[in-house]
Amino acid sequence: DAGVIQSPRHEVTEMGQEVTLRCKPISGHDYLFWYRQTMMRGLELLIYFNNNVPIDDSGMPEDRFSAKMPNASFSTLKIQPSEPRDSAVYFCASSMGQPNQPQHFGDGTRLSIL
Amino acid sequence: GEDVEQSLFLSVREGDSSVINCTYTDSSSTYLYWYKQEPGAGLQLLTYIFSNMDMKQDQRLTVLLNKKDKHLSLRIADTQTGDSAIYFCAERDDYKLSFGAGTTVTVRA
Repeated sequence: DAGVIQSPRHEVTEMGQEVTLRCKPISGHDYLFWYRQTMMRGLELLIYFNNNVPIDDSGMPEDRFSAKMPNASFSTLKIQPSEPRDSAVYFCASSMGQPNQPQHFGDGTRLSIL
Repeated sequence: GEDVEQSLFLSVREGDSSVINCTYTDSSSTYLYWYKQEPGAGLQLLTYIFSNMDMKQDQRLTVLLNKKDKHLSLRIADTQTGDSAIYFCAERDDYKLSFGAGTTVTVRA
């Protein structure tokens, strides 16, 4: 079975550029999560969706970050304009709605802002 | 807010048992999870335990939960070189997971 698919796997860009990270959740999963992993702060939840609707975006660092889920099989996380401190590994995860269902993670996007 | 704490490093000899410890603060957590992260990869779910259980065993993995002390542990029996990775403990509140900083396990020959 296909797991959570993220693209690109690596992104290197200059500060000020727009960055778009993409995620395809596991088919049938109705929850989707975006996380950021850094050495300093560990794994942080940025935002999560239920049935394509954003439920909690309290972890989004600032207005430069935005996330959308136009349909059940696709989500994007955008950073505009990007800054060097946004460099991190960004993970997408998905899960089914029942309480005992765990989150399944993609392999992440390693983002470097120069 | 939730706060999950783990020791940062563990070194173990191949064939020995590894024990990774974790403490959490949210007594309303319903499920507690162990994830494994290998270099360059995402988080792989290893096992989880429901908060009304004390122990769960799954092949080489044993999870112990002391709800009174809010203490969770993961024991890996007969540790192999392929077990070298970062192990994350996570607690669940509603649909949100809070992760510890991760324990880097190094298996030496």
